[in-house]
Amino acid sequence: DTEVTQTPKHLVMGMTNKKSLKCEQHMGHRAMYWYKQKAKKPPELMFVYSYEKLSINESVPSRFSPECPNSSLLNLHLHALQPEDSALYLCASSQDSGSPLHFGNGTRLTVT
Amino acid sequence: GIQVEQSPPDLILQEGANSTLRCNFSDSVNNLQWFHQNPWGQLINLFYIPSGTKQNGRLSATTVATERYSLLYISSSQTTDSGVYFCAVVKWSSGSRLTFGEGTQLTVNP
Repeated sequence: DTEVTQTPKHLVMGMTNKKSLKCEQHMGHRAMYWYKQKAKKPPELMFVYSYEKLSINESVPSRFSPECPNSSLLNLHLHALQPEDSALYLCASSQDSGSPLHFGNGTRLTVT
Repeated sequence: GIQVEQSPPDLILQEGANSTLRCNFSDSVNNLQWFHQNPWGQLINLFYIPSGTKQNGRLSATTVATERYSLLYISSSQTTDSGVYFCAVVKWSSGSRLTFGEGTQLTVNP
């Protein structure tokens, strides 16, 4: 079982909906990440939080809004998404920004 | 940025066969990880291996940092080994971003 927990596992939302993806880790890691993965492609980095502060935003559209309420939790707030945003969203954590990453099982998002 | 190339892109094996997957990278790196993504999308960390050789059961990995490549060996393959194998590297001077290769799709037939 993964030590990074993501909820929900599956999400279907309309283009006018607002939803949130949640990620939790209790390994004491201080860096947390959001990745987006399309079918048959590698994961693409979206955001990095280091010590609860946003350190990297890979020019992600504002309809994706990350939040790190504390060192164990990472959220991704979704609003006015497009069908092309349908993908597997993966959360990961690491001891610090230079350490090995540990991934959650992902949330499979479908935008209708 | 760093380029990561994996080969072969696809590999089909019979159960029990051995295989070698390769990862080439275009610049010196500080970290290198091998991941296995199973058919359900779960991305599992196999090795953290910026240099040297490591073994874990039927899997082993070798990274030759000076020649900018890493190899993942799978021995006595099983159907549960099927999935996509990704190599990913980090160069701290590039902001510690994990750069993935395109992956090797492995299918192990019974």
